[in-house]
Amino acid sequence: DAGVIQSPRHEVTEMGQEVTLRCKPISGHDYLFWYRQTMMRGLELLIYFNNNVPIDDSGMPEDRFSAKMPNASFSTLKIQPSEPRDSAVYFCASSFGGSGANVLTFGAGSRLTVL
Amino acid sequence: SQQGEEDPQALSIQEGENATMNCSYKTSINNLQWYRQNSGRGLVHLILIRSNEREKHSGRLRVTLDTSKKSSSLLITASRAADTASYFCQPGANSKLTFGKGITLSVRP
Repeated sequence: DAGVIQSPRHEVTEMGQEVTLRCKPISGHDYLFWYRQTMMRGLELLIYFNNNVPIDDSGMPEDRFSAKMPNASFSTLKIQPSEPRDSAVYFCASSFGGSGANVLTFGAGSRLTVL
Repeated sequence: SQQGEEDPQALSIQEGENATMNCSYKTSINNLQWYRQNSGRGLVHLILIRSNEREKHSGRLRVTLDTSKKSSSLLITASRAADTASYFCQPGANSKLTFGKGITLSVRP
């Protein structure tokens, strides 16, 4: 397996534009997580899915953020409209199983810069 | 969910020395995991220790878990420059996996 695949790796956009980040989890994994990492706030959990169903989105900062998982092999994180404070590295991770014993495999991240 | 609190926030050692990093948490767990993050990369899983285990080894890594004190430690022996990274603990009680600030380890050649 190629691991968790994220795209784009880098995105530079202007304030107000829509941003879509994509993630392909490892085949067979039933959990998918979206994280955001900044120097100030560290690694924040935004939302996670189990079997394509959103379980907890309490970390999504505001209504400008939305995430979907239409099938087991694809998820998107959308920011509309984007703001400079959204600049961060966004990571997708997937795992098999729950109960805290699930080992996460992270993607390489998508570095977002909003001007 | 809960996240671990790692200590110290930063650690700088000489190559060949041992590095000890600590993690504390607040509520009961099923297991605890340690991850490493190299600069600009995603986190990589290092080791998982279950709540009924006290110590676990993997190569140069040694992890201990004290559930009575709600704490864990990660020891890296004979450190190398390539061990320079951030290290995170992840106390696991359910499927909501969150992370603390991590520990920045610098290993000087």
